Amino acid sequence: EVQLVESGGGLVQPGGSLKLSCAASGLSFSGSAMHWVRQASGKGLDWVGRIRTKGNKYATEYAASMEGRFTISRDDSKNMVYLQMNSLKIEDTAVYYCARLGVSSGLGYWGQGTLVTVSS
Amino acid sequence: EIVLTQSPGTLSLSPGERATLSCRARQSVKSNYLAWYQQKPGQAPRLLIYGASSRATGIPDRFSASGSGTDFTLTIGRLEPEDFAVYYCQQYGDSPYTFGQGTKLEIK
Repeated sequence: EVQLVESGGGLVQPGGSLKLSCAASGLSFSGSAMHWVRQASGKGLDWVGRIRTKGNKYATEYAASMEGRFTISRDDSKNMVYLQMNSLKIEDTAVYYCARLGVSSGLGYWGQGTLVTVSS
Repeated sequence: EIVLTQSPGTLSLSPGERATLSCRARQSVKSNYLAWYQQKPGQAPRLLIYGASSRATGIPDRFSASGSGTDFTLTIGRLEPEDFAVYYCQQYGDSPYTFGQGTKLEIK
């Protein structure tokens, strides 16, 4: 059974930092590009960014509003993907999902999400 | 970035009816790299369609999709009670991989 389990969410003050983790199991993790997607309460889906595989030099891409503040990394030896979030803003408050979108294979997997609340 | 506009915002139908959802891009989606997702309250999204028209693994054949370039459609042949949810399109041909704003499919 494939599982993606996010952790690390919580309450943080504006301007603060938080690092989210996503533990993967049951899938070919090292061969999978991994994404982070967020969703504010009652709102739509918002793509955060992606990290590619070792074969693609672990290249990362981000949404414009997160470029320079957010960093995605991965540790294939631990089947983990991370989202380092700096200079957090109130509008970054959302549930953050890690996902293998599966858009090349038809096999998509998502975690259950972790809530990040940015508030003073 | 490629802006995706979904219509209608809300679609009210009865079980057994046919649903047609639209996703329009402001510019052409590269290689028709367009996906559709279903999201139910309190759940993560689920991949339904990729490559504009290919059903994801385990998706019933009442879900079909078509389109190319800037206009894409998701069709649900005969609505089952479990199909009432929010549906999102996403383009993944160009970074950033943008989502549409969603269509809520509700029971009439």
